[in-house]
Parts: sequence; structure tokens; C-alpha cells
Amino acid sequence: DSGVTQTPKHLITATGQRVTLRCSPRSGDLSVYWYQQSLDQGLQFLIQYYNGEERAKGNILERFSAQQFPDLHSELNLSSLELGDSALYFCASSVGKGSYNEQFFGPGTRLTVL
Amino acid sequence: AQKVTQAQTEISVVEKEDVTLDCVYETRDTTYYLFWYKQPPSGELVFLIRRNSFDEQNEISGRYSWNFQKSTSSFNFTITASQVVDSAVYFCALSEAQGSARQLTFGSGTQLTVLP
Repeated sequence: DSGVTQTPKHLITATGQRVTLRCSPRSGDLSVYWYQQSLDQGLQFLIQYYNGEERAKGNILERFSAQQFPDLHSELNLSSLELGDSALYFCASSVGKGSYNEQFFGPGTRLTVL
Repeated sequence: AQKVTQAQTEISVVEKEDVTLDCVYETRDTTYYLFWYKQPPSGELVFLIRRNSFDEQNEISGRYSWNFQKSTSSFNFTITASQVVDSAVYFCALSEAQGSARQLTFGSGTQLTVLP
């Protein structure tokens, strides 16, 4: 158990809908990262927050947004969902904001868009 | 641009065999970090090791060992006396200290199956 929690574990929704994925980092970690894992794209970095502020952005679609709250939990919002958004979404956390920090991953949220 | 290549898509071995997973990376940064993660069938990603670009000393942890060679841009992972519980997908990843890829860039992963 990495100490990172993600809810829900599974999510099934329809095209065009909007969903929110939630992540709580390990105690003491200030950075939160979001990743998408799909069969065709592999594991891709989406976005990083550090202590409430956006730190780095990867291949995140404009339909997706995220934020980190004062209690350090984070939410990833996915809107206007398409079939291709079906994937496993991971949240990870680390102590610091630097690229040398090892990241600890949550169990993931499996999103299915029908 | 940064890139991580794991050419072995799938490897199958019999229990107690040694197995090496290859990882080749590309980066223009002189300071960078290499990682290995394990993804067992349950799905979560488990951190295994981090290596700094300025530390080429090989590392051993139990049955696991890592061989980092800057000359060939490789960071290979060996499991000695493999066990069924080692069956998983293994990912190599890279992050740069200064470049645009300060976040993790993952390879495509190697599916390791250890047969009893």
C-alpha cells in the first residue's frame, strides 16, 4: 500500500458526460501528479501540482482540468467524454516538486466511456 | 527530446531462471534520473529504484540488480532466481532536471511472465 488513495476505483459513464476523479496523497507529500494509462498511448503524464499550484503540464487535453486543494487532495475533471478517454487514471504523490523525487502511485481509477 | 525504449514487449521464463529487462534512454540533459516501476496484475504501480545520472554505481537489492551504463544510455534490470510473484509489467522511466521533461517519461513496459 503506497499510502495514496484514489476514488472511485471504477467509473462507467457515457460519451459527453463529465466525471471527477479524486486523489489523496501520502501524508507529508506536497506534489500530486496525474497520469493516464491506455493500451495505445501507454503511461502518459498529464499534470503536476505542488502545494496547490500547477507545476508542470504534459499531454493533458483541454477538456481535462485538475486542481489541488488546501488540504492537498487533488481532483481531475474530465468533461465531454469520448470513447478514447477510456483508460486507467493514476494519481501519484511525492514529497518535493523536483524531478528527482520518487513518485508513489495510487491504485488507479478505471474509467470506461460507453 | 527525451525517450525511453523498452524493446522487449514480453518475456517468459521458468521459475528460478535469471532474467534481464532492457531499458535504453535518450536525453540531452546532463543531469537526469532513471526509475524502474513494477505493475503487478492488481494494477498499481510500485516504485523499485531511482538512479541519478552522476552515479553509475550498480545496485543490488536482494534478487534485484540494476546496471546503469551512461556510455550505452542503458539502465537494465536483472531479476535473479525469478519467482512466480515477479510476474508483472515492468516500466523504465526518465526525468530530466532542467529540460522540458521534468516529469516522468515512461517506456512502453515489458510484460514478464514467470512460469512455475
